[in-house]
Parts: sequence; structure tokens; C-alpha cells
Amino acid sequence: QQPVQSPQAVILREGEDAVINCSSSKALYSVHWYRQKHGEAPVFLMILLKGGEQKGHEKISASFNEKKQQSSLYLTASQLSYSGTYFCGTWDFGNEKLTFGTGTRLTIIP
Amino acid sequence: EAQVTQNPRYLITVTGKKLTVTCSQNMNHEYMSWYRQDPGLGLRQIYYSMNVEVTDKGDVPEGYKVSRKEKRNFPLILESPSPNQTSLYFCASSGPSGKLFFGSGTQLSVL
Repeated sequence: QQPVQSPQAVILREGEDAVINCSSSKALYSVHWYRQKHGEAPVFLMILLKGGEQKGHEKISASFNEKKQQSSLYLTASQLSYSGTYFCGTWDFGNEKLTFGTGTRLTIIP
Repeated sequence: EAQVTQNPRYLITVTGKKLTVTCSQNMNHEYMSWYRQDPGLGLRQIYYSMNVEVTDKGDVPEGYKVSRKEKRNFPLILESPSPNQTSLYFCASSGPSGKLFFGSGTQLSVL
């Protein structure tokens, strides 16, 4: 079963902040985040392992709450280059596969 | 350069004509996987492989076959393509870190 992402789409002005949520009905081992620009392949952003850690890369960070089976991606002071579709992927216990959500389309306007 | 190479980039075929999409990686990764991407449905896994000669079904395996005879190659085979298999396909591989490296994709149209 695919994890659920919200919102499905969001439009921001440059410099604004955004939060993308990802939730699963299954106990999770890890959560992955990827970004895909139009016409391109998805590109890795980060992996969060169980343990409630928070990771960051420049102005993009994420948290993972294993008890709630949720992860959130935080984009701070968004830039035009952040535009694209963001996917979370969940790796659940007992399976050896990564299941992606349906994606969140982020549009940054000047 | 570390990469996952998929071919062809675009493919138009007719119903029932067998086709193969090739995927090769040069990173010595054990894990390889195929995904299809459709509007509103995100990336759905078709098949994956943990190592040579070890493959398993993903979430949407019907109508597809795979093989893993060599570590670097993981072809996707459609024995009898149908129009509902028209989609954008991605091959991916990963090493111990779990980070997925994707190929550039194959846009398949089945008429």
C-alpha cells in the first residue's frame, strides 16, 4: 500500500516555506525523499532511518516519527530551483522494497 | 561516471509485439528495481532484485517479466504488451546506503 502524501500540490512565492507530509499505515524501517523535475528522473534527497532523526541538506530538512509512521519534508526560504514533484518512499519491515507515495507537486513562482 | 543506463528512451509498439527494455548499472549494486510512473499514481514498483538470480514481484507485476543473470543488467520484458502498459518506466539501483540511482526513463506507448 502506497504511503499518503499531502498536500498533492502547492504553489509558493520565492522565499516562502513549505512542508510536505508523508504517512504510512505500516511500521516503517526508513523513509526516503526524492525530487523529480519535469521530464527527468527522480533524484535522491535524503534517507531517514527509524529513531526519530532529523536530517538536513542546506535549506531542505526532514523528520521521521516512527511511532506515528510519518515523515515531513521542510523546505525553507524556497528557491526557484526547488520546483518539481517530491516523492516519499517507505521501506517497511519484512519487505525488501521501496514503496513511493503519489507525489507532491511544488511550484515556486518569482 | 556512476550511472544507470536505460534503453530505449522512447518506444512505440503495437499490442502483442514482445519487447525488452534494457537496464545496466556500473556501480556494482546488488539491488535493482523497475518502476512505472503514471499521472496521479506516482512511482509503482514492478519487480525488484536483491542479487543475481534473485527476483521478486513488486506491486504491479502483471504482464511483465524480468531476469537477473548478471549483476549489472536487469532487463524488463513485456511478452505481449497491451495499451494499459503505456507508461513511463524507470530502472533504479542501489548499494548498501539504500540511495536509489535512477535511469533516464523509457517512455513506452502501446497502440
